[in-house]
Amino acid sequence: AQSVTQLDSQVPVFEEAPVELRCNYSSSVSVYLFWYVQYPNQGLQLLLKYLSGSTLVKGINGFEAEFNKSQTSFHLRKPSVHISDTAEYFCAVLRGAQKLVFGQGTRLTINP
Amino acid sequence: GAGVSQSPRYKVAKRGQDVALRCDPISGHVSLFWYQQALGQGPEFLTYFQNEAQLDKSGLPSDRFFAERPEGSVSTLKIQRTQQEDSAVYLCASSLKGLADITDTQYFGPGTRLTVL
Repeated sequence: AQSVTQLDSQVPVFEEAPVELRCNYSSSVSVYLFWYVQYPNQGLQLLLKYLSGSTLVKGINGFEAEFNKSQTSFHLRKPSVHISDTAEYFCAVLRGAQKLVFGQGTRLTINP
Repeated sequence: GAGVSQSPRYKVAKRGQDVALRCDPISGHVSLFWYQQALGQGPEFLTYFQNEAQLDKSGLPSDRFFAERPEGSVSTLKIQRTQQEDSAVYLCASSLKGLADITDTQYFGPGTRLTVL
């Protein structure tokens, strides 16, 4: 079975600092990986996804993630965060036909 | 264009009441998904439809939960005899291509927050 572990429940950083949100997955077959962001009182919005090919995936809002098969990781990074990046971030893996399995989320808090 | 919409946005029910939650997917989207998000947790899959066919309902927690999409567009999630453990945000998502592309992006609605007293 495929599952996802987000290693940090909360990550506080200062504005304009870099950030990394960690995600590890478990799977014995091909994986499709996703990062979603959830702003307060809103639905989830796709940041980026890895399907195949280049292991470095670029997404919206300046975010990128790197697929690392040997470490079974898919960490999300941004070189310089803004106050507007304050949100909950979810890593997910596709299981079965179209079922997304989410991690527990990481709350990113940006301090001025 | 319009995104996925859900109604009501907030619902308070007394334990034992039945509730119905509505989802309007993006027009033309083939697949529709329901997820349950408990407080402080990630969303958990409940069920999904391709057009009007319910292809997977493995995530529905009990037979009190029922979902339908009779005409392949709007969907309703019904919960009978609500219990306190049903309190959660119920998210709906839709995707354009369905099984033709299982990696197609799922677009999420804002959710319905259900509180059972």
